[in-house]
Amino acid sequence: QSALTQPPSASGSPGQSVTISCTGTSSDVGGHNYVSWYQQHPGKAPKLILYEVTKRPSGVPDRFSGSKSGYTASLSVSGLQTDDEADYYCYSNAGGNIWVFGGGTKLTVL
Amino acid sequence: QVQLVQSGSELRKPGASVKVSCKASGYTFNNYGMTWVRQAPGQGLEWIGWINTDSGSPTYAQGFTGRFIFSLDTSVSTAYLQVNNLQAEDTAIYYCAREPKLLDSWGQGTQVTVSS
Repeated sequence: QSALTQPPSASGSPGQSVTISCTGTSSDVGGHNYVSWYQQHPGKAPKLILYEVTKRPSGVPDRFSGSKSGYTASLSVSGLQTDDEADYYCYSNAGGNIWVFGGGTKLTVL
Repeated sequence: QVQLVQSGSELRKPGASVKVSCKASGYTFNNYGMTWVRQAPGQGLEWIGWINTDSGSPTYAQGFTGRFIFSLDTSVSTAYLQVNNLQAEDTAIYYCAREPKLLDSWGQGTQVTVSS
């Protein structure tokens, strides 16, 4: 049950695009499509922004998109806005009834 | 609308216990599992485990077995997390979230502080 690997930080200027990776193993990210992403602003509870790799909950802008290749899932944010500055976490099934988070990525909008 | 409301902040001494509640509303409680997540100060999210609200069966992550206990009171649509023999490193915000597959609704978090 090791944490999934995310880069500690990412950055981009307003209007630009940024991609955050989430790397696991064949037992978690690589084994199925139950990968979701969460956005957390300081002092707030996390918020679901993507699930089952590519699906967006109602109300989440289509600037947020997801993909997966092999053992790595990715979150892409296009048209960066200042409000996108937050921590982002990936989350995956790790086999059976076990789930695991990534270590988190702090996104800075310069 | 779906809502999860957690109990308030707690301060405990090392070795004590704490019980955090998470009251659900806006959906059928036993149709969705309840997940618990810990976030230590300045750190990332840690998956503690989840409880099947229909069967009552809990699943704990490695490192959270023994001292961490999930329970339910389905009559009031409430899930509980009890932590026994608290250590300083248990100081964190504890969140409940609906469902293990995709955590689509979250409680506001409960701050638990362990200090002598």
